[in-house]
Amino acid sequence: EIVLTQSPGTLSLSLGERATLSCRATQSVSSRYLAWYQQKPGQAPRLLIYGASTRATGIPDRFSGSGSGTDFTLTISRLEPEDFAVYYCQQYGSSPLTFGGGTKVEIK
Amino acid sequence: EVQLVESGGGLVQPGGSLRLSCSASGFIFSNYPMHWVRQAPGKGLEYVSLISSNGVNTHYADSVKGRFTISRDNSKNTVYLQMSSLRAEDTAVYFCVKGLGQWLVTTGPLYYFDDWGQGTLVTVSS
Repeated sequence: EIVLTQSPGTLSLSLGERATLSCRATQSVSSRYLAWYQQKPGQAPRLLIYGASTRATGIPDRFSGSGSGTDFTLTISRLEPEDFAVYYCQQYGSSPLTFGGGTKVEIK
Repeated sequence: EVQLVESGGGLVQPGGSLRLSCSASGFIFSNYPMHWVRQAPGKGLEYVSLISSNGVNTHYADSVKGRFTISRDNSKNTVYLQMSSLRAEDTAVYFCVKGLGQWLVTTGPLYYFDDWGQGTLVTVSS
């Protein structure tokens, strides 16, 4: 099983700042099969990125994904008020499917 | 617009049973495998189960194997999760999810999740 470790656990930033979230895997993620989700309190997760770097439909271009192998990054170029949430990575390169523990982006 | 609406959650005693339903609309339901993903209170996401588009093949996380059964009725655009021998650690919000990806004999299911329901809370407690 591939274990995903997200860091930091919490990121405290101001509006307009750049957010850099890390997702590290215990084994190489095949074919860059890594997705990122955003979850706000009381809501379901929303798909942001799949294939490590492809934005899902309707996702603003301030969200970008990068990485390969065991190290992946989600970058939010300029934080907007609606971006403060918890972010999860998920690998789908091997079974069982696994999620990271999440990074909370909070307002500083 | 894709809509996934779960129902059937509630309070159940340890060892009890519960059946969750998920009604789907806005896409050709019979063309897609469907999934359940859960989230314990204040915790992260955990993959639970998958059923193929025609309902023939199913897959379960080790944590629920032998206790949970996934099924679907394509004539009703509905997927179900029958949960039995419930434990306190099954307490979670259960999300019905539509995924994209592939399921090969050699690799197992490889999906990411593009549409989620709002979730239904299952609480296992005496």
